[in-house]
Amino acid sequence: EPEVTQTPSHQVTQMGQEVILRCVPISNHLYFYWYRQILGQKVEFLVSFYNNEISEKSEIFDDQFSVERPDGSNFTLKIRSTKLEDSAMYFCASSLLDRGRQETQYFGPGTRLLVL
Amino acid sequence: AQKITQTQPGMFVQEKEAVTLDCTYDTSDPSYGLFWYKQPSSGEMIFLIYQGSYDQQNATEGRYSLNFQKARKSANLVISASQLGDSAMYFCAMSPRGYSTLTFGKGTMLLVSP
Repeated sequence: EPEVTQTPSHQVTQMGQEVILRCVPISNHLYFYWYRQILGQKVEFLVSFYNNEISEKSEIFDDQFSVERPDGSNFTLKIRSTKLEDSAMYFCASSLLDRGRQETQYFGPGTRLLVL
Repeated sequence: AQKITQTQPGMFVQEKEAVTLDCTYDTSDPSYGLFWYKQPSSGEMIFLIYQGSYDQQNATEGRYSLNFQKARKSANLVISASQLGDSAMYFCAMSPRGYSTLTFGKGTMLLVSP
């Protein structure tokens, strides 16, 4: 069964460093997402991406964050200058979503980011 | 704006029994989708079941069913014949129709005992 994959599974970085989290969405999916989950808290939406551009973004997704689809398979989240409060589990998700219909988002296993 | 409320921080159930996890929601959107996800201790988010707001019947997926009461704005997850592997955090989520943002509740931790 096709699944979303994410690398790395864990990332430790120093405050102020740049990190890139990588995702390979399900191959025939059209919409891609990033969510984060701070330890012990609920999952929060960051950004959605369709047709090589951001479709929606939340207040959390400020100028420190960027997303990119550098090739036909990868989808990346970059945090330019990490802060302590960026420590969280980051989930990538994808869906077949066609505007006007409802489609399920399938999540990857997550990348656990720890900023020291 | 959408809001999901899960009032049960933790639930205990014995193996083979049924359990209901509560979820209420608030939205002004006329059309929306409701989802349940399972998060085991390993951390991944596993899709369980989906209910559309205009679906006539309650959704079922194997041992999972969704008790959807639109007038009460509730979408409770029912797990029949609980198994030890069902021990996990369960999240209710919703999305307005045609949009991609999922709004999650805080989750309910389910523990299944032998």
